[in-house]
Amino acid sequence: SQQGEEDPQALSIQEGENATMNCSYKTSINNLQWYRQNSGRGLVHLILIRSNEREKHSGRLRVTLDTSKKSSSLLITASRAADTASYFCATVRPISNFGNEKLTFGTGTRLTIIP
Amino acid sequence: GAGVSQSPSNKVTEKGKDVELRCDPISGHTALYWYRQSLGQGLEFLIYFQGNSAPDKSGLPSDRFSAERTGGSVSTLTIQRTQQEDSAVYLCASSSRATYNEQFFGPGTRLTVL
Repeated sequence: SQQGEEDPQALSIQEGENATMNCSYKTSINNLQWYRQNSGRGLVHLILIRSNEREKHSGRLRVTLDTSKKSSSLLITASRAADTASYFCATVRPISNFGNEKLTFGTGTRLTIIP
Repeated sequence: GAGVSQSPSNKVTEKGKDVELRCDPISGHTALYWYRQSLGQGLEFLIYFQGNSAPDKSGLPSDRFSAERTGGSVSTLTIQRTQQEDSAVYLCASSSRATYNEQFFGPGTRLTVL
């Protein structure tokens, strides 16, 4: 089963509005990442938040992490048509001593920005 | 510099045939990952390489699936006796200890088994 589950599965908003997507997971993690996937650019890393962090910003993106609730949220402010894509959260647990970590993806939120 | 590349971009095969999918990671990236994405679904982890060894093969769905990596670079995912349920997009990603946590994904190979 997927470690992460995004909510909602689909979201449509008007351009300029803010979009919020949530992710819940089941086990302890080292960090959580958000990725975006669209047909033009494939799967792209957006932002990473470590387990000891509670909030992180990158441009128009704001991510929060609540390890007690095993949940994260991704906020996109002032949405643009180009933000239309599927957004996935991915949780990270160590699988080796080499420092590279396995990603377990959720099923994604399909975001549509209406011009 | 070049990103992760995969070939072929599309593959159509008949049920029962074997297929090989190739991944060229970013030069210098020591870790390489294979994922599978079925239509409208998230990514399913298949296998992970650190150098040429595969510490984690837990995601391979059956013994028809195998993968190897040679020279710490190119990787090949082989599916034997393909079944219709193998139809999916197969994605490869690589990462380095420098980037540590960020995985860089290739464009994927879309496999269709008729």
